[in-house]
Amino acid sequence: SQTIHQWPATLVQPVGSPLSLECTVEGTSNPNLYWYRQAAGRGLQLLFYSVGIGQISSEVPQNLSASRPQDRQFILSSKKLLLSDSGFYLCAWSVGLSNQPQHFGDGTRLSIL
Amino acid sequence: EDQVTQSPEALRLQEGESSSLNCSYTVSGLRGLFWYRQDPGKGPEFLFTLYSAGEEKEKERLKATLTKKESFLHITAPKPEDSATYLCAVRRRLDNYGQNFVFGPGTRLSVLP
Repeated sequence: SQTIHQWPATLVQPVGSPLSLECTVEGTSNPNLYWYRQAAGRGLQLLFYSVGIGQISSEVPQNLSASRPQDRQFILSSKKLLLSDSGFYLCAWSVGLSNQPQHFGDGTRLSIL
Repeated sequence: EDQVTQSPEALRLQEGESSSLNCSYTVSGLRGLFWYRQDPGKGPEFLFTLYSAGEEKEKERLKATLTKKESFLHITAPKPEDSATYLCAVRRRLDNYGQNFVFGPGTRLSVLP
C-alpha cells in the first residue's frame, strides 16, 4: 500500500532563516506531488505541484520554492523566511492520469518568530 | 469560475443526533468528487469518491451522495469520535494537473456526548 511521510511535524524558525520541508511517498511510481498551505479555518491553497522529476509548477508567487530531486521526494524550501510564511503545510500525492483523489501527509506546523 | 462551497461552516450535534453536511460545486468537466476528514493538526484523510449523479457510498455512520450540483455527507447517530472537519473536493478536467483539484473550506463538526 502507498504511504506518504512528511517531516518535521512542527518547526519554529526565526524571520530570515532558511527552510527545508521534506515529503516522501512509498508504494507508487511517478506520482503527481503537491504542496499546499492551509490557513486556520480556511481552505487549502495550492503552492506547487510536480508531474515528474525536476518538473515544478508554481501556482502562487511567493517566497517559497520547491524541488523534486527523486521520483518520490518533494522538498519545499525558502532562503529567507517571512512572518507571513507561518502556517500548516501539507504534502499530497495522486496518480497522474486518472480520476483518483489526492492523499495527504500529516503536515508541518511552521511558526515564524 | 469553478468553485466549491460547504455548509454549514460549523455544526454541533448531540451524540445520536443525525444530520447532513452540504457541498455545492460549479465546475466544468467534473472528474470526481471527494470527501475527506481532517482532525486537528493532521492532514486530510480520504473517505469517499463519487463520480456520477445518483451514486452513493457508505462507511460506518457516514453516507455520501451526489447530484449534478451538490453532494451530501449524511451522518447517522454520530459519536464524539466523529468530531472533525469534513472537506469536500472536486477533480475537474484540465491539462494543468495542479489546478485539477478544488477544495471547499470545510465544515467543522462537533459531536457532544
